[in-house]
Amino acid sequence: DAGVIQSPRHEVTEMGQEVTLRCKPISGHNSLFWYRQTMMRGLELLIYFNNNVPIDDSGMPEDRFSAKMPNASFSTLKIQPSEPRDSAVYFCASSFDRLGYEQYFGPGTRLTVT
Amino acid sequence: SQQGEEDPQALSIQEGENATMNCSYKTSINNLQWYRQNSGRGLVHLILIRSNEREKHSGRLRVTLDTSKKSSSLLITASRAADTASYFCATDAGDNAGNMLTFGGGTRLMVKP
Repeated sequence: DAGVIQSPRHEVTEMGQEVTLRCKPISGHNSLFWYRQTMMRGLELLIYFNNNVPIDDSGMPEDRFSAKMPNASFSTLKIQPSEPRDSAVYFCASSFDRLGYEQYFGPGTRLTVT
Repeated sequence: SQQGEEDPQALSIQEGENATMNCSYKTSINNLQWYRQNSGRGLVHLILIRSNEREKHSGRLRVTLDTSKKSSSLLITASRAADTASYFCATDAGDNAGNMLTFGGGTRLMVKP
């Protein structure tokens, strides 16, 4: 298996632009997680899905952030409009939804908003 | 708020020495996991210890869990320069569908050759 796939790996955009981050989880995994990592705030869980249904989105910072999972093999995280404080590394991770299973992380998308 | 808090935040040792990192958490858990993150990469799972276990080994890694103190430690023996990374503990309280984990702030380990 190729592991969790994220695209793009790097994104540089101007403030006010829409940004879409993409994730393909490991085949067969039914939980998907979006995290954001910065030096100041560390690793933050933004939202997670189980069987394509959002379970907890309490970590989504503002209405500017939205996430979808239209099917078991694809998810998007969208920021509209983007702001400089959104600059961070965004990770997607997937897992089986059973106790004792680890999460598998993608390589991350480094977002820079100027 | 973070469930797990690692201590120390940063650790610098010489190659060959042992490295010990600690993690404290606040609520009851089903299991605790340790992850490693190399600079610029995603987190990688190292080891999992269940709430009814007290100690677990994997190669040069030794994890302990004290549920009465709500704490865990990760010991890396005979460290190597390649062990330089950030290490995170993560707790699974099992109170949500989907296997959600709560990560701590991490310990940055530097192993000098």
